[in-house]
Amino acid sequence: ETGVTQTPRHLVMGMTNKKSLKCEQHLGHNAMYWYKQSAKKPLELMFVYNFKEQTENNSVPSRFSPECPNSSHLFLHLHTLQPEDSALYLCASSRGGGSRGGYTFGSGTRLTVV
Amino acid sequence: GENVEQHPSTLSVQEGDSAVIKCTYSDSASNYFPWYKQELGKRPQLIIDIRSNVGEKKDQRIAVTLNKTAKHFSLHITETQPEDSAVYFCAASNIPGNQFYFGTGTSLTVIP
Repeated sequence: ETGVTQTPRHLVMGMTNKKSLKCEQHLGHNAMYWYKQSAKKPLELMFVYNFKEQTENNSVPSRFSPECPNSSHLFLHLHTLQPEDSALYLCASSRGGGSRGGYTFGSGTRLTVV
Repeated sequence: GENVEQHPSTLSVQEGDSAVIKCTYSDSASNYFPWYKQELGKRPQLIIDIRSNVGEKKDQRIAVTLNKTAKHFSLHITETQPEDSAVYFCAASNIPGNQFYFGTGTSLTVIP
């Protein structure tokens, strides 16, 4: 494990379901991110939290709702998703606050919407 | 905003040969350029990075070069091995801000 843990690893949900993805980091990082990774597309940044405050929302549909209760935990609440939302959802963390350093990624949640 | 382009999208090399992946970026304010390796079914992992005040950085068989004037940077892998097979992503970032802009990825296959 890299210090960033995502659960569940796999999720299959119907279009009318409500589910949540969880991300947890124990690296002392202050910034956390949600990325969507679809086949043959670049990593798409969805949300950025810096010191628990949301600083980026890249035109993500409202059926995705993030929550960051503290610097160590990040959630992505899902409801009424579409089949095209099926993808790998990656959480990442970094030191944040303007300091250099790469991301540490979680293993991702493979989401399938049926 | 920043736009990162990555080429090629797929690359096959014979074991022992070198592999080169190139990225260009658009924002001259970008000053940090990491490279990530993502093996099948696994998370992206940072393998090497370079900052804008450095032209080249090397770590064993992996090297990265940066040309700030031309706004491009490249990943070089020498003496490739089958375990180098993976998808490689470049990224550009403007610190502070800490937002990373990723390339589209290069699927590298090393043929034994």
